Amino acid sequence: DAGVIQSPRHEVTEMGQEVTLRCKPISGHNSLFWYRQTMMRGLELLIYFNNNVPIDDSGMPEDRFSAKMPNASFSTLKIQPSEPRDSAVYFCASSSLLAGADTQYFGPGTRLTVL
Amino acid sequence: GNSVTQMEGPVTLSEEAFLTINCTYTATGYPSLFWYVQYPGEGLQLLLKATKADDKGSNKGFEATYRKETTSFHLEKGSVQVSDSAVYFCALRGTQGGSEKLVFGKGTKLTVNP
Repeated sequence: DAGVIQSPRHEVTEMGQEVTLRCKPISGHNSLFWYRQTMMRGLELLIYFNNNVPIDDSGMPEDRFSAKMPNASFSTLKIQPSEPRDSAVYFCASSSLLAGADTQYFGPGTRLTVL
Repeated sequence: GNSVTQMEGPVTLSEEAFLTINCTYTATGYPSLFWYVQYPGEGLQLLLKATKADDKGSNKGFEATYRKETTSFHLEKGSVQVSDSAVYFCALRGTQGGSEKLVFGKGTKLTVNP
């Protein structure tokens, strides 16, 4: 079975540019999570969706960050404009409480470098 | 609010040594508790979990017991291998409001030398 798919795996961009990260959750999962991992701050939850609806975006750092989930099989995290302090590994995860499983399955991550 | 505290790393052990990584939590009610593992260059994977007091989660030789009285969920393995080298995260999921949010500890890096 395909796991959570993220693209791109690596992204290098210059300050001020727009960055879009993509995620395809596991088929049938109805919850999707975006995390950011840095050495300084560890793993932080940015936002999560349930049935394509944003439930909690309290972790989104500021207005430069936005996330969408237009359908059950696709989500994007956009940073505009990007800044060097946004450099991190961004993970997407999905889960399905309805299936009786509260385990989150993580994608391989996108390593973002903002110069 | 809910929080997880796990021992600071890094931890360096020789192969076949005994491993303990401490994890304590603060939460109301009866949260579910998890250990996730992150191998180099990969995303996190569930290692084991426990959903109620006195439950023991186990997988790949790792064990952790949900201790309500000490609010702890320490990870143990009797004999580590080089392939266990990774970062280990303790996490909890609260029971309030049906939230699916996981709260993670900061992670403990384990290096096992041959």
